[in-house]
Formats: sequence, structure tokens, C-alpha cells
Amino acid sequence: DTGVSQNPRHKITKRGQNVTFRCDPISEHNRLYWYRQTLGQGPEFLTYFQNEAQLEKSRLLSDRFSAERPKGSFSTLEIQRTEQGDSAMYLCASRPGTANTEAFFGQGTRLTVV
Amino acid sequence: GNSVTQMEGPVTLSEEAFLTINCTYTATGYPSLFWYVQYPGEGLQLLLKATKADDKGSNKGFEATYRKETTSFHLEKGSVQVSDSAVYFCALNVGSGTYKYIFGTGTRLKVLA
Repeated sequence: DTGVSQNPRHKITKRGQNVTFRCDPISEHNRLYWYRQTLGQGPEFLTYFQNEAQLEKSRLLSDRFSAERPKGSFSTLEIQRTEQGDSAMYLCASRPGTANTEAFFGQGTRLTVV
Repeated sequence: GNSVTQMEGPVTLSEEAFLTINCTYTATGYPSLFWYVQYPGEGLQLLLKATKADDKGSNKGFEATYRKETTSFHLEKGSVQVSDSAVYFCALNVGSGTYKYIFGTGTRLKVLA
């Protein structure tokens, strides 16, 4: 296992289009997170899955955003009707279920909305 | 609420200089504290962590001590190298529920040869 994998690495889309990103976590990790990072800022939490259950969503996750983890393995993050303000790096992270363990991050998907 | 405050960058140092990047936090409960590093074009990598007060995390010559009395977790390195040039993020998570991270804004370090 080579770590958390995210695809695509880069996405350029026109305003109003829908986009979907994929995250493949480390295989034995049952906890998965999505974060958003804008230029010059630290990552901000978007949502959290434990296995297939989405247990927490940030207020940042507007109704245009939806995330799934259908079989408790990979996850997708979809943004509908993209806006220029959605331009950011979207980071996925995973960790095992034991306490005091760190999360492992993917390389991110950089979204540019033009 | 929970928050992390880092010193603003960029920090520019000559090779072999001493590095300190300040980080303070506000948290309810008993957070674990982390430093992550982000090299250009890459994702976040864990640099070190500390899970309770007075713990010292260390890795690759970097150190940080969890100071509960000053709510701080400053990152230090005795002699930086050009290859240390990156953005450094201080983060916390509170050990309940999601264990989600709260990150600081990051500090860019540039080391000159």
C-alpha cells in the first residue's frame, strides 16, 4: 500500500459545472476525512466518515457539496454548480480507529473554477 | 472553541541557522498536538506529534514540547538545511468523536544556501 491516493491531481472546470473527486485511503483505515485548503491558509475540515457512515459535516459543506463512502473503502466528493470560490486544494486523509494515531494525507486535488 | 495560532511567515534563514516556529493553541479538553510539513506540490506529511502535556515530539532533527501551562507547541531545529524549505502547519485534535484536525495557517520556511 502506497498511502492515500487522490484523483485527479488537478481539475479545471467552468463555473456551473459539476465535478467529482475520488480518494482511496490506506486499506486498513476505517476513518476518512475531507479537508479544503485555500491559498495561504491551513486545511479546513469538511466532513468525516467512519466506515461507510458520514458522521460529521462542517458548515463549510454547503448543499452543493456531497460526499459518499459507499462500501467503507474509497470516497467521493462531488461539487455541483461550481463557483469560483470553490477553487482550492481538496485533501483527503485517513487513519485507523485507535486513539492517538495520526492521519495520513493524500497529495490533494487542486480545483480551479474559471 | 478550538483554534491554533502560528507565527506568520515567510521565515528566511541561512543554512545551519537555528529555527523556531511559534505555535499556540486554544482547546477544550486534552488535545493531541502535531506538526505537519508540506513540500511544494505534495500533500501534508506528519513531522512529529505529542499526545499529552510535557511530551516531546522529535523527528529529523526537529523537536517540539507540549507545554500545557503556556498552551504552546513551538517547533525547533538546531541547524536547518536547504531541504527543510517547506510550509509547516501546527495542528491539534481533541480526543473525542471525530479526531478531526484544527490547523494553523501555516508558516513558510525558506532556507538559503
